Amino acid sequence: TQLLEQSPQFLSIQEGENLTVYCNSSSVFSSLQWYRQEPGEGPVLLVTVVTGGEVKKLKRLTFQFGDARKDSSLHITAAQPGDTGLYLCAGARDQGAQKLVFGQGTRLTINP
Amino acid sequence: GAVVSQHPSRVICKSGTSVKIECRSLDFQATTMFWYRQFPKKSLMLMATSNEGSKATYEQGVEKDKFLINHASLTLSTLTVTSAHPEDSSFYICSARGRIWEQYFGPGTRLTVT
Repeated sequence: TQLLEQSPQFLSIQEGENLTVYCNSSSVFSSLQWYRQEPGEGPVLLVTVVTGGEVKKLKRLTFQFGDARKDSSLHITAAQPGDTGLYLCAGARDQGAQKLVFGQGTRLTINP
Repeated sequence: GAVVSQHPSRVICKSGTSVKIECRSLDFQATTMFWYRQFPKKSLMLMATSNEGSKATYEQGVEKDKFLINHASLTLSTLTVTSAHPEDSSFYICSARGRIWEQYFGPGTRLTVT
């Protein structure tokens, strides 16, 4: 059972376009993180959201945590080839949780 | 801050031999580290949780005698793949727990068993 469902799993768009990646669950999470991973490297933490309804911005990336803390979205404005990579969402079930639950990832390709 | 290193980055070994992978937190202390395995074009699969000074907790289906984990200090955890076989070839990634929820990942180790 995949507790965190990411969609789409694959996305290929042209440079300059906007896109949104979704991370959904039927479970509540205390926090949710977004990571980006490039081929042959480890994931890099982009953001952590902890409050329902929270919105965080990182340059052209906007992250939102759902009001009920069951879902999150990542929106990229004016995508660039450097945004290409595997985007992973990961959630912590409670404050004491050691393990993170990972989504299956969204593989994003930005074509020049 | 929050830098995690792994060594080696790539290793090729012969079937039947053992390989040790090191994971270090360079600028913070990590009481908890995690070991993941990643198959091509797939997400991360948690293998085990490594706690400093105690036995690791393995996920269901992961053989603890095959994947030996030692977390002897607050900055170092090691994963030893014993009697490696070609099916053990994979990308192994460690992470160290920072604040309550966040994990910081190493760059990964590509293991190829011939």
